[in-house]
Amino acid sequence: GAGVSQSPSNKVTEKGKDVELRCDPISGHTALYWYRQSLGQGLEFLIYFQGNSAPDKSGLPSDRFSAERTGGSVSTLTIQRTQQEDSAVYLCASSPIQGSHEQYFGPGTRLTVT
Amino acid sequence: KQEVTQIPAALSVPEGENLVLNCSFTDSAIYNLQWFRQDPGKGLTSLLLIQSSQREQTSGRLNASLDKSSGRSTLYIAASQPGDSATYLCAEMNYGGATNKLIFGTGTLLAVQP
Repeated sequence: GAGVSQSPSNKVTEKGKDVELRCDPISGHTALYWYRQSLGQGLEFLIYFQGNSAPDKSGLPSDRFSAERTGGSVSTLTIQRTQQEDSAVYLCASSPIQGSHEQYFGPGTRLTVT
Repeated sequence: KQEVTQIPAALSVPEGENLVLNCSFTDSAIYNLQWFRQDPGKGLTSLLLIQSSQREQTSGRLNASLDKSSGRSTLYIAASQPGDSATYLCAEMNYGGATNKLIFGTGTLLAVQP
């Protein structure tokens, strides 16, 4: 079956612009995660969605970052007024809520802020 | 604060060698530990997941072990091949939290020389 997909694969934007990154999880997976991978910080957790529960936003680095998940499926990560330090690879993962909670990752979106 | 450390940061071996990658973690309430592979410019591919109740998992030439008491996991790769060249990441999931986020190590960059 289809894995986790993300779009766009690459995004170059000017400082100060807003960007939206999209994630399509594996069908039937109720849990969805966003992570960020940057040169100086490694891989870090951003936000977690589980079913209809309130999301865990504890990893979002600033209030310029927000995310939503519509209909328990597709998720969008929005970064407002982008800064150069936002340049990173943004990875999305999904997992089933039962069992091992193994996370399956998408290919990522490489964001470059100029 | 939960921390995950991987040693060595980089490793170069000739083709055919057996090798061990190390991962250590500070979290005593670990739920599971996942090993991933990341190729340049790509997302994460899950290799093995070990539940906290297990001691090891095997898949083909890969064997991962988990020792909760010492806070260590190892990934053993037998008869290495040039195609094994990639960055290997371990990540632990904490038990008991509402969020099943992964805490990632810093990675080991493996180069297998033909």
